[in-house]
Amino acid sequence: GEDVEQSLFLSVREGDSSVINCTYTDSSSTYLYWYKQEPGAGLQLLTYIFSNMDMKQDQRLTVLLNKKDKHLSLRIADTQTGDSAIYFCAEDNYGQNFVFGPGTRLSVLP
Amino acid sequence: DAGVTQSPTHLIKTRGQQVTLRCSPISGHKSVSWYQQVLGQGPQFIFQYYEKEERGRGNFPDRFSARQFPNYSSELNVNALLLGDSALYLCASSLGTADTEAFFGQGTRLTVV
Repeated sequence: GEDVEQSLFLSVREGDSSVINCTYTDSSSTYLYWYKQEPGAGLQLLTYIFSNMDMKQDQRLTVLLNKKDKHLSLRIADTQTGDSAIYFCAEDNYGQNFVFGPGTRLSVLP
Repeated sequence: DAGVTQSPTHLIKTRGQQVTLRCSPISGHKSVSWYQQVLGQGPQFIFQYYEKEERGRGNFPDRFSARQFPNYSSELNVNALLLGDSALYLCASSLGTADTEAFFGQGTRLTVV
């Protein structure tokens, strides 16, 4: 079945870049997503990438997709304390539902 | 425009009881999906409904059921609650079944004691 893996923790200094990595198993996924979850809140869609793309940039966010290795990454430039949250990678399952990774907890140190 | 609204925000139930959670999608959205997020884990898919019909079901026991109403709002029911059902239950709405953008509500935090 589908499986999405992420490292669980990442700590960076304010102003540095953060890179959150994700691997997935379902090569039939059409889209891959990054969601952000702040404490006690629901999920906020940050960005998504179509599976035939290699890269997508959206302001401070850059998504890189290596379809051959089934590897997805999210780079946050100039990381701020407000970026501290849990970041989830997700793949779609034939458009029916999302399969989420366990989440990466990003801590931004002043 | 209101986003996805879920009610209640928190509730506490006793083992063996039944619970109903409610979700109102964004206006114009016809698809509602339910996810269970256990503390420290990613959300797990439970159900998807579109035009009042079940379009997908995750690996959850029959104690979990759902329905969608003509106004596209949805209810998730869980019978015979177990301690392990304690979780954040998230509702997501989208225009259709295969849309790229799904919008999540704030969730209902269920605690089973």
